Amino acid sequence: EPEVTQTPSHQVTQMGQEVILRCVPISNHLYFYWYRQILGQKVEFLVSFYNNEISEKSEIFDDQFSVERPDGSNFTLKIRSTKLEDSAMYFCASSEAGVMALHFGNGTRLTVT
Amino acid sequence: AQSVTQLDSQVPVFEEAPVELRCNYSSSVSVYLFWYVQYPNQGLQLLLKYLSGSTLVKSINGFEAEFNKSQTSFHLRKPSVHISDTAEYFCAVSDRGAQKLVFGQGTRLTINP
Repeated sequence: EPEVTQTPSHQVTQMGQEVILRCVPISNHLYFYWYRQILGQKVEFLVSFYNNEISEKSEIFDDQFSVERPDGSNFTLKIRSTKLEDSAMYFCASSEAGVMALHFGNGTRLTVT
Repeated sequence: AQSVTQLDSQVPVFEEAPVELRCNYSSSVSVYLFWYVQYPNQGLQLLLKYLSGSTLVKSINGFEAEFNKSQTSFHLRKPSVHISDTAEYFCAVSDRGAQKLVFGQGTRLTINP
């Protein structure tokens, strides 16, 4: 069964550094998402992406965050200047039918020191 | 604003016993409802969903959930659990037409032999 692939599985970065989290969605999917889960807290929506543009974003997704689909297969989340509170598990998801059938990756654990 | 409450953070049960994981939501509009399961070191997997029609929905591995509009609930049940059901279970809601899921805080289901 096709799956969403995220790399790396664990990323450690220093506060203030830029980080890029990478995702390869399922190939025929058209909707792409990023969610995050801070340790011990709920899974939170960050952003949805469709037709090469952001379709919805949360208040968490401020100017420090950006998403890109650079080559038709990858879907990336960039954090420009990381803060300690950005430490979390980041999940990428894709779908061919919007929120009705999301497929999640295994996540990237981001640790900001 | 939407919210999801999973009343139990942990539920320990014995193998072959029945289980109910509770989920209540709040929303001012029509919704889609979901249960996701997360096995250790894996991403979120869709277990079952309510979109419309019959209020009782079932998964292939014996779980079922019933949408109760008057009580704004979507509790997950299984009549007889197995060791392999040990995982974290997340309830989620989406407004129809929206592009984001709002998750509950998760319930850790532990099956004891």
